[in-house]
Amino acid sequence: AQKITQTQPGMFVQEKEAVTLDCTYDTSDPSYGLFWYKQPSSGEMIFLIYQGSYDQQNATEGRYSLNFQKARKSANLVISASQLGDSAMYFCAMRGDMRFGAGTRLTVKP
Amino acid sequence: DTAVSQTPKYLVTQMGNDKSIKCEQNLGHDTMYWYKQDSKKFLKIMFSYNNKELIINETVPNRFSPKSPDKAHLNLHINSLELGDSAVYFCASSQGGRGGDSNQPQHFGDGTRLSIL
Repeated sequence: AQKITQTQPGMFVQEKEAVTLDCTYDTSDPSYGLFWYKQPSSGEMIFLIYQGSYDQQNATEGRYSLNFQKARKSANLVISASQLGDSAMYFCAMRGDMRFGAGTRLTVKP
Repeated sequence: DTAVSQTPKYLVTQMGNDKSIKCEQNLGHDTMYWYKQDSKKFLKIMFSYNNKELIINETVPNRFSPKSPDKAHLNLHINSLELGDSAVYFCASSQGGRGGDSNQPQHFGDGTRLSIL
């Protein structure tokens, strides 16, 4: 069975700084993918970025990028130049059985 | 234009009642999902349908029954509601793959907050 782990219940970052949110996974499938979603306090789930196991490069999307390390089975989300509006819950999820990690609550300080 | 819409947004009811949550998507996606998010924000998949066929059926009480009349709709019916059913229920859809096996992201509805008195 697939397993996905987010070990940081909460993170703080100063506005304009970069922050890394951790996500590790375990799967026996050679082909897999990982999604990251953002959930602000208003409750909606917003797709941020996707990384496939066979993608040649680490995924990037605006200020979001993935530090994807297959050997370590980690797909950490990097948010550059943090903004106050980035304060939210962040979830990683695995393609396939769509298991979500427990989430990380990010708070951006002014 | 709402892509994935759930109704109702809030549902407050007594223990033991039967209730339904409706979900519709106008994105033309072929896969739809139901998730439960508890008070600690833990998000757990419950069901997934691909073209009206049940693909993922996680361990949930059989009081929960999904129904997909067509690929644009996936409703959730809950019998004999219990206190532990209080949560936010999210509907989502995506294109491609079977169940969650797609590299296309899921589009989520705004959630239905279910409160059991």
